[in-house]
Amino acid sequence: LAKTTQPISMDSYEGQEVNITCSHNNIATNDYITWYQQFPSQGPRFIIQGYKTKVTNEVASLFIPADRKSSTLSLPRVSLSDTAVYYCLVGHYTGGFKTIFGAGTRLFVKA
Amino acid sequence: GAVVSQHPSWVICKSGTSVKIECRSLDFQATTMFWYRQFPKQSLMLMATSNEGSKATYEQGVEKDKFLINHASLTLSTLTVTSAHPEDSSFYICSARGPDPMGVETQYFGPGTRLLVL
Repeated sequence: LAKTTQPISMDSYEGQEVNITCSHNNIATNDYITWYQQFPSQGPRFIIQGYKTKVTNEVASLFIPADRKSSTLSLPRVSLSDTAVYYCLVGHYTGGFKTIFGAGTRLFVKA
Repeated sequence: GAVVSQHPSWVICKSGTSVKIECRSLDFQATTMFWYRQFPKQSLMLMATSNEGSKATYEQGVEKDKFLINHASLTLSTLTVTSAHPEDSSFYICSARGPDPMGVETQYFGPGTRLLVL
């Protein structure tokens, strides 16, 4: 099970781009990288998932270098409502993947 | 998109009673569902994995006789906290395996159930 390491917390201002990096040195060949967002007293919300290079959707981009030992979640032009905890997870379901959450990154967006 | 619901959203009960929490995948079938517990200011802790039609697999340290899990259909899993005590008070979250927009399997989470045992 690949362990992930993220910064404990980050601060940003409204309108800025925020990049949160996750290290996963022991990532396996079949593993995918998934990012979730969690607000207080709510379940985590799926943001984006990728295997390599770059994935983009309507809310975020995920950058994965060639060695796949890290990944970066990019949030364009954050707003106050993006203040949340962001979790990076690594694994694959065909291998009986159990989602083990790390501590996550607490992002605080200021006005 | 894939939606997972939980019911109830919050429950208060007396010590010694049992509480059942339902988890449903609303627009997809989920052969595998997961149950997590989260204490304040902490990350999610996986309690068990349930597969439709078979017994749940519990994580180390989680009492299977206390936290009964039933995954009777492809869209419903239930967690029953038996003989609840104040230390069982927590935020319980379920999730279900389903396809992401690209068709790759991922997990979708329910909104959570806040349990308070008095």
